[in-house]
Formats: sequence, C-alpha cells, structure tokens
Amino acid sequence: DTEVTQTPKHLVMGMTNKKSLKCEQHMGHRAMYWYKQKAKKPPELMFVYSYEKLSINESVPSRFSPECPNSSLLNLHLHALQPEDSALYLCASSQDRGNTPYGYTFGSGTRLTVV
Amino acid sequence: AQSVTQLGSHVSVSEGALVLLRCNYSSSVPPYLFWYVQYPNQGLQLLLKYTSAATLVKGINGFEAEFKKSETSFHLTKPSAHMSDAAEYFCAANTGGGNKLTFGTGTQLKVEL
Repeated sequence: DTEVTQTPKHLVMGMTNKKSLKCEQHMGHRAMYWYKQKAKKPPELMFVYSYEKLSINESVPSRFSPECPNSSLLNLHLHALQPEDSALYLCASSQDRGNTPYGYTFGSGTRLTVV
Repeated sequence: AQSVTQLGSHVSVSEGALVLLRCNYSSSVPPYLFWYVQYPNQGLQLLLKYTSAATLVKGINGFEAEFKKSETSFHLTKPSAHMSDAAEYFCAANTGGGNKLTFGTGTQLKVEL
C-alpha cells in the first residue's frame, strides 16, 4: 500500500459546526503532515507529527486541532471556522530518518468549504 | 532561510515540444530538492527528487531534472510534451534534518495542439 487516504473528499460546514478530517497511511512512515492549499497557491505547512508527537505547529489558529492517535492515522479537528478557511487540505507522510529525507507522499486532499 | 524560486507562473508549449520549467534555490548548503505535479482537484504527486546521489535525476512520465550547484538550479525538463502533462508543477526544497518542505510558487503548464 503506497497511498495516503484522506476522507472526506469534500466537506461543507457552517461556521458553528465541528467536523474532522481524517488521513491514513500504511507505509510505515513515521512523519505525517497537514498542509493547507488555496487556489493557485503552493501548499502551506500547518502541522508536522514525528513519531506520533507534534513537532511543528506553524502558528495555526486554535480552531484547527491536530491529533495523531497512532502511527497510521492523523486527524484534523475543525471548530468555529471562518469562510477564509475554505481551501484544499492535504495530508502527507514521509519516512523519518533524520538527515536523509525522502519524498513526501500526499493524499488527494479534502476540499473544505466554510459557509 | 531556505527559499525556492520558480520563474514563470505560466508556461505554454506545443504538443511534442520541449518542456523546461525553472527552479532556483537559495541556500548555503545544497538542499534536497523535489519536483511535484498537481492535477486539478488532486493532491501532489512526486515526479523526482535530488538527494546528492546523482546530479541528473530521472523521474516518472519522462521527466528529468539536473542539479547545478554553480547555478543553484534544479530545472525540470521533458523532451516531448504530451497533452496529459498539463498541470501545476511545484519545486520544493528540504535542507535535511528537519521535516519541512519549502515550496516554490508553482508553474502552470499548458500544452497546446
């Protein structure tokens, strides 16, 4: 299995809703990432988990809450979002071997619309 | 700080023509470099990567890239464009030792008949 699976593919939520994005990989990768991508822009890093511990938080607002229940799963909990949070949310994973980085494997993303 | 520059936000080529997408990095230490492709409404797919083993790197779908330290460049090429190559292409860099990719702003490749 060489894929990163993200669910749902599309999500529409109101500003008072609570929802979660899910990401799963079975490649044995020990680093997992959340990226946000606006139209016609490159992905922007939000969070990095390394060996199931949060290692990087790029000053993301607290209405986004990541969770890594185990080495294969990554969640992003959403609460009280704003319309400007509408974007494509990408999950990625990579082997984590210190100074020898490998290419990241990206999921196909969740298209989030906040109304 | 590491940065990646992609010259040309839009590139248009004819089918069968050479594809050249430019990427320059800024770093005192040669980074690990990657090219990704993104088709509409999809995630990013790794095309190829430079990790210091060889300066000319071959990737999927007939793409290749050459690392030139003297020019701090990692340009992506394909000898003959196909309609299916139309997509957004991102160059990215990682200085190693950390789990953080820096992306360029992307180049939209259009292939015309």
